[in-house]
Amino acid sequence: GPKVLQIPSHQIIDMGQMVTLNCDPVSNHLYFYWYKQILGQQMEFLVNFYNGKVMEKSKLFKDQFSVERPDGSYFTLKIQPTALEDSAVYFCASSLLGGPGEQYFGPGTRLTVL
Amino acid sequence: AQSVTQPDARVTVSEGASLQLRCKYSSSVTPYLFWYVQYPRQGLQLLLKYYSGDPVVQGVNGFEAEFSKSNSSFHLRKASVHWSDSAVYFCAVSMRTGNTRKLIFGLGTTLQVQP
Repeated sequence: GPKVLQIPSHQIIDMGQMVTLNCDPVSNHLYFYWYKQILGQQMEFLVNFYNGKVMEKSKLFKDQFSVERPDGSYFTLKIQPTALEDSAVYFCASSLLGGPGEQYFGPGTRLTVL
Repeated sequence: AQSVTQPDARVTVSEGASLQLRCKYSSSVTPYLFWYVQYPRQGLQLLLKYYSGDPVVQGVNGFEAEFSKSNSSFHLRKASVHWSDSAVYFCAVSMRTGNTRKLIFGLGTTLQVQP
């Protein structure tokens, strides 16, 4: 079936540095999402993105976070600067429709902030 | 606010046995409900979904789930599990946000199938 790819699978960085997580969504999908899962906790919605704009963001989507998808390339999540509490697995998802349609998920990027 | 509870963090069953993974949801309106499975080093894969109609929905690989409005539940079942079913299973509810939807997930249930 359709696949969402995430690069890298694991990233280790020092606190205060910038990190960019990359997502290659399903090719014809129009809606894009980031979710965050801290070890042992629920996967939580961060942000969704459509037509070049953030549609909604949660309280977890801090000012240090930003998303973009320039010219149909990767859908990226940038954190600048990073903090210790940003350590988590970040899952990207995409969907064709914005309604209750199926969201396709990537395997996640494990971010470790030291 | 919508929420999802999966009361069992880990379930262990023998191969060939039947399976039920529990999911309770909280929602002020009839929700859209999903079960996802995550195999090691892979993304979440949709097993099945409920939007409306017949409360028993069929999914892939012999899985089914039953929606119960009275019990606010959406339990996942399989008549006979295989060792390859070992994975983490997530129940989720879809919440409308403007013109799009976000998923609210449970904590997940790790299923271990013993030979």
